[in-house]
Amino acid sequence: EAGVVQSPRYKIIEKKQPVAFWCNPISGHNTLYWYRQNLGQGPELLIRYENEEAVDDSQLPKDRFSAERLKGVDSTLKIQPAELGDSAVYLCASSPLGATGSDTQYFGPGTRLTVL
Amino acid sequence: SQKIEQNSEALNIQEGKTATLTCNYTNYSPAYLQWYRQDPGRGPVFLLLIRENEKEKRKERLKVTFDTTLKQSLFHITASQPADSATYLCALDEGSARQLTFGSGTQLTVLP
Repeated sequence: EAGVVQSPRYKIIEKKQPVAFWCNPISGHNTLYWYRQNLGQGPELLIRYENEEAVDDSQLPKDRFSAERLKGVDSTLKIQPAELGDSAVYLCASSPLGATGSDTQYFGPGTRLTVL
Repeated sequence: SQKIEQNSEALNIQEGKTATLTCNYTNYSPAYLQWYRQDPGRGPVFLLLIRENEKEKRKERLKVTFDTTLKQSLFHITASQPADSATYLCALDEGSARQLTFGSGTQLTVLP
């Protein structure tokens, strides 16, 4: 079974430029998450999707960040314009839609963004 | 304010010993607690989940305890090996929003 796929793995851009990250979750997983992980910290949730619907985007800085999950499968996270403080690893995770309980999340390898 | 604290310093232990990692939390009421392993350049990988009404969970050389009175979880790796060297993250799930909140992790190094 293929895991969560993310691209690109690395991205270096100048500040004020736009950038986009792509995620393909595990087949059949209804829930998709985007996290940001700063060096030496744990992942912090940016947005969670249940199928096509963004059910929790309270931590997404909406002035510059946007996300979409068309057809409830692949997802794209965009930053426009990027700022120096956006340098981090952006992780995508997916989980199956369980009826109850705490879902195990399956993470992709992440995209390491460097903003110069 | 809400806080999750893991061992503040990196942890070095000798091969064959038991590693014990700590996760303390404040102002959370987790229904579940999960532990993940993260290697450099990779995403976290799920290891174990424990529910609030469970005191202990085991999987091979791994053991997790969960004390909701102390607001603490302990993660043990017995007979540790150099291959166990990684960062270990605890994550809380309060159960209502199906959302995990992660600690900052403990970097474990097992010395041969």
